[in-house]
Amino acid sequence: GQQVMQIPQYQHVQEGEDFTTYCNSSTTLSNIQWYKQRPGGHPVFLIQLVKSGEVKKQKRLTFQFGEAKKNSSLHITATQTTDVGTYFCAGRANAGKSTFGDGTTLTVKP
Amino acid sequence: DARVTQTPRHKVTEMGQEVTMRCQPILGHNTVFWYRQTMMQGLELLAYFRNRAPLDDSGMPKDRFSAEMPDATLATLKIQPSEPRDSAVYFCASGLVISQGNTEAFFGQGTRLTVV
Repeated sequence: GQQVMQIPQYQHVQEGEDFTTYCNSSTTLSNIQWYKQRPGGHPVFLIQLVKSGEVKKQKRLTFQFGEAKKNSSLHITATQTTDVGTYFCAGRANAGKSTFGDGTTLTVKP
Repeated sequence: DARVTQTPRHKVTEMGQEVTMRCQPILGHNTVFWYRQTMMQGLELLAYFRNRAPLDDSGMPKDRFSAEMPDATLATLKIQPSEPRDSAVYFCASGLVISQGNTEAFFGQGTRLTVV
């Protein structure tokens, strides 16, 4: 079945440093979504990418979808303490359901 | 402020007891998902419905779990009998799907289930 892998599993950064998490699928995706879950909270939708090579920005967050539509990345510039949480990607294959990656947990040291 | 509402927020029960979790999706959303989250397994999709019809419940243990949508405003997830390994946070999410695309899933705050 479809597998979605995320790396790294954990990332600890100093406030102000950049952060990137990567998502790789075993199959070609029709779209990919990114979610953020704060400690003790529920996943919150961030963005959806659909097109090959698509790049979207939300303030300090940059999302990319690979040309082959099998990988994606989320990059945060100049992290802040409010960025802490676990970032999940969820990939949807053409005829299937979305599969969540295991998430990357980000901690930020002030 | 539209949101997905889940009840109860917390549930502690003894092994063997029946557990029912409820979810009120956002009005107008046509897709409802049930997820289970544990430290070991992460987020697992248990089942999802579109227009109240079950589309996929392959992630759900069939012998003890059941999911239903009695009407458009209520989705239920039932475990009978419950076991300690069912302890997890159960999330309901709803979304609006149009043709082949899909929109974001709006998650409820979850039901934290502990089976002792």
